Amino acid sequence: AQTVTQSQPEMSVQEAETVTLSCTYDTSESDYYLFWYKQPPSRQMILVIRQEAYKQQNATENRFSVNFQKAAKSFSLKISDSQLGDAAMYFCAYEGRDDKIIFGKGTRLHILP
Amino acid sequence: DGGITQSPKYLFRKEGQNVTLSCEQNLNHDAMYWYRQDPGQGLRLIYYSQIVNDFQKGDIAEGYSVSREKKESFPLTVTSAQKNPTAFYLCASSIQRLVGELFFGEGSRLTVL
Repeated sequence: AQTVTQSQPEMSVQEAETVTLSCTYDTSESDYYLFWYKQPPSRQMILVIRQEAYKQQNATENRFSVNFQKAAKSFSLKISDSQLGDAAMYFCAYEGRDDKIIFGKGTRLHILP
Repeated sequence: DGGITQSPKYLFRKEGQNVTLSCEQNLNHDAMYWYRQDPGQGLRLIYYSQIVNDFQKGDIAEGYSVSREKKESFPLTVTSAQKNPTAFYLCASSIQRLVGELFFGEGSRLTVL
């Protein structure tokens, strides 16, 4: 069975600085998707970024980028120029061939003004 | 506007009572999911459905039941067999398998008194 591990329950970063959130996963599949979702205090989950496993190029969405290391089964999220609105829970997620989408336990990110 | 509607937002239940959480989407998505969120546990998959009249158990299906009689609707029943039902429940949908991006509802908070 696939698993997703986020080893950092909480992190803090100074406003305007860069922070990296870690995620590792375990799978025997070669074709899958990886995601980072954001859950702000309103609890409305929104997609931050998506990575297809067959693509070697790391996905980027404005200030958000990933470091996808397929062999190491690592999928970290980098947030550049951190803003107060980035404060939230961040969840790493995996979707494989069995159609299940599974999540890690999350990392709570605090932005320090 | 298209989206996912969960109701009720807050629900109180006495022990021994079944309760049904509603999830409706007008996005024309094939797949729908139910997740349970507890502090420090992330999102755990309860049930998911890829097509009408078909659904699969997730990782924590015991004590829950679902139906998928219409594409737009995927109600979740929390039965009296669920030993610890107090939690935040999230419904989500996606276009189809291996395409990714879950669209989430705003969630339902169930409290058992």
